[in-house]
Amino acid sequence: DIQMTQSPSSLSASVGDRVTITCRASQGIRNDLGWYQQKPGKAPKRLIYAASSLQSGVPSRFSGSGSGTEFTLTISSLQPEDFATYYCLQHNSDLWTFGQGTKVEIK
Amino acid sequence: EVQLVESGGGLVKPGGSLRLSCAASGFPFSRYSMDWVRQAPGKGLEWVSSITSSSNYIYYADSVKGRFTISRDNAKNSLYLQMNSLRAEDTAVYYCARGSDYYDSSSYSGEYWGQGTLVTVSS
Repeated sequence: DIQMTQSPSSLSASVGDRVTITCRASQGIRNDLGWYQQKPGKAPKRLIYAASSLQSGVPSRFSGSGSGTEFTLTISSLQPEDFATYYCLQHNSDLWTFGQGTKVEIK
Repeated sequence: EVQLVESGGGLVKPGGSLRLSCAASGFPFSRYSMDWVRQAPGKGLEWVSSITSSSNYIYYADSVKGRFTISRDNAKNSLYLQMNSLRAEDTAVYYCARGSDYYDSSSYSGEYWGQGTLVTVSS
């Protein structure tokens, strides 16, 4: 099974900060990776698909990069509504795997 | 508009059974693989099971293998998860999510999710 290692598990940041979250796959997954934002009590919302494609309707401050085994989600200028938990998801194999999650909190 | 609506959650005793349903609309259901994902209280997301568009291939997480059964009815645009021998650790919100389009190799899984249904296993 493919393992996804996501870091950090949590971070504190201020409005306007640049934030970077990383996921590493245990084997190559091409670009079969998505990034999700989840707020309490809500379903996950996809921000990025195919590792670097911005989901329609998602603000351009969100961006994704990477291919193979190393992937990054960047929020260029953190906004108040961005405080949430973020997950990566690989779907290269028939068995999906999520990263452990990164909770982005207000500093 | 794509919609996925889960139902069937509730309180069940350890060792009991429950059947979850996911009603799909707004897209050609029979073309897409479908998945179940769960989230225990205060924990991260865990993939549970997947079924291909024509039910030819089915996959399970090791944590539910032998206890859960995924199925679908393309005529009814519905996805199901039969959960038997439930344990306290199965307590979670269960989401259905749309996978990839069998006829479009460029489609990417996980765009649409339901709102989730809560399963609580407790005596």
